[in-house]
Amino acid sequence: KAGVTQTPRYLIKTRGQQVTLSCSPISGHRSVSWYQQTPGQGLQFLFEYFSETQRNKGNFPGRFSGRQFSNSRSEMNVSTLELGDSALYLCASSLSGRGLDFETQYFGPGTRLLVL
Amino acid sequence: QKEVEQDPGPLSVPEGAIVSLNCTYSNSAFQYFMWYRQYSRKGPELLMYTYSSGNKEDGRFTAQVDKSSKYISLFIRDSQPSDSATYLCAMSKAAGNKLTFGGGTRVLVKP
Repeated sequence: KAGVTQTPRYLIKTRGQQVTLSCSPISGHRSVSWYQQTPGQGLQFLFEYFSETQRNKGNFPGRFSGRQFSNSRSEMNVSTLELGDSALYLCASSLSGRGLDFETQYFGPGTRLLVL
Repeated sequence: QKEVEQDPGPLSVPEGAIVSLNCTYSNSAFQYFMWYRQYSRKGPELLMYTYSSGNKEDGRFTAQVDKSSKYISLFIRDSQPSDSATYLCAMSKAAGNKLTFGGGTRVLVKP
């Protein structure tokens, strides 16, 4: 079974631009979560999508948004990029994330974004 | 102050030694405790999870949770150079997917 895939793997943007990152979950997984990883703040939860609906949200500004499609693929968008948005953006998928039982989250390799 | 604190290391040990990692946390609502391993240029990979307090063993790995002290540990026995990675603790209040991570400890196992 293929793992979580993220595209692109590397991206360079300039301040003020916007960016869209893509995540394809493991086949059959319906929950997709996004995290930002930086040396200073570590791994921080951005948001989670299930059945095309945002179910959980972290403490990030509204410039960070996402969506999920009917095939469970997800995209996240960052508008008006700032230097501090330079980070590794990780996507993770799980079967349902319904919160009834523990489910392993499987992480993709991430998209490394550099904002100049 | 961060909700989950973890010493960044690096922690350098000789091959075959026991690696001892730990995290402290401040939010008593955390119920699920996880350890992830992250190799360079890869995403984190779940090693173990524990619900509430107690110990859990899986091969060379042992996870311990002490909720009264808000302290969790991971021990790696008979460490190998392939164990060299960053180890992240993570916690959640429920079985859902909103995880709070520690900053990670970089571990180097020298042959």
